[in-house]
Amino acid sequence: NAGVTQTPKFRVLKTGQSMTLLCAQDMNHEYMYWYRQDPGMGLRLIHYSVGEGTTAKGEVPDGYNVSRLKKQNFLLGLESAAPSQTSVYFCASSYSRANYGYTFGSGTRLTVV
Amino acid sequence: ELKVEQNPLFLSMQEGKNYTIYCNYSTTSDRLYWYRQDPGKSLESLFVLLSNGAVKQEGRLMASLDTKARLSTLHITAAVHDLSATYFCAGRDTNSGYALNFGKGTSLLVTP
Repeated sequence: NAGVTQTPKFRVLKTGQSMTLLCAQDMNHEYMYWYRQDPGMGLRLIHYSVGEGTTAKGEVPDGYNVSRLKKQNFLLGLESAAPSQTSVYFCASSYSRANYGYTFGSGTRLTVV
Repeated sequence: ELKVEQNPLFLSMQEGKNYTIYCNYSTTSDRLYWYRQDPGKSLESLFVLLSNGAVKQEGRLMASLDTKARLSTLHITAAVHDLSATYFCAGRDTNSGYALNFGKGTSLLVTP
């Protein structure tokens, strides 16, 4: 049982490049979330999904797109990376709104130069 | 929108001392969470508080919840160096797919 797996773990991008971060969970969780963590800012919600085929914007969605074509995968895309997107990205999942547990991935450290 | 505020943001304390981290939240949240994060690591769940008056303890950490005051506290008893980490509280936002809304975190350093 792997839990929540994020790939890649580290990445350096040049400004304007694109990339996709993958979050995969094997727990049959309905809800999935993408956060970014910046020093002194806590974790801020980028996008979330309440089920396969659904996505919605969180607090800081600009510059990001997401997709959830399969229940187990939640993809975060950067179409044209900017230095302001340098951050640590965490994915999390939860079984349902009634369930009180959240499982976090190990994070992706992204640097945009 | 649920807003979560923690204080203090930085805390340096001596081993053996007691201290409390405060977490205020702006609107009703049906649950309140505490997490610990070590440098370069992911979040480790410490406590989930489900109802008013809830109190949970694990080792030298004790968390409590007052839903009427919209306040949760994390009390540290007789701190030891191993407790040095960043602590986050989070409320559950029912308007954002039950996402967790986090405070900015309290960076705790326990010194000899």
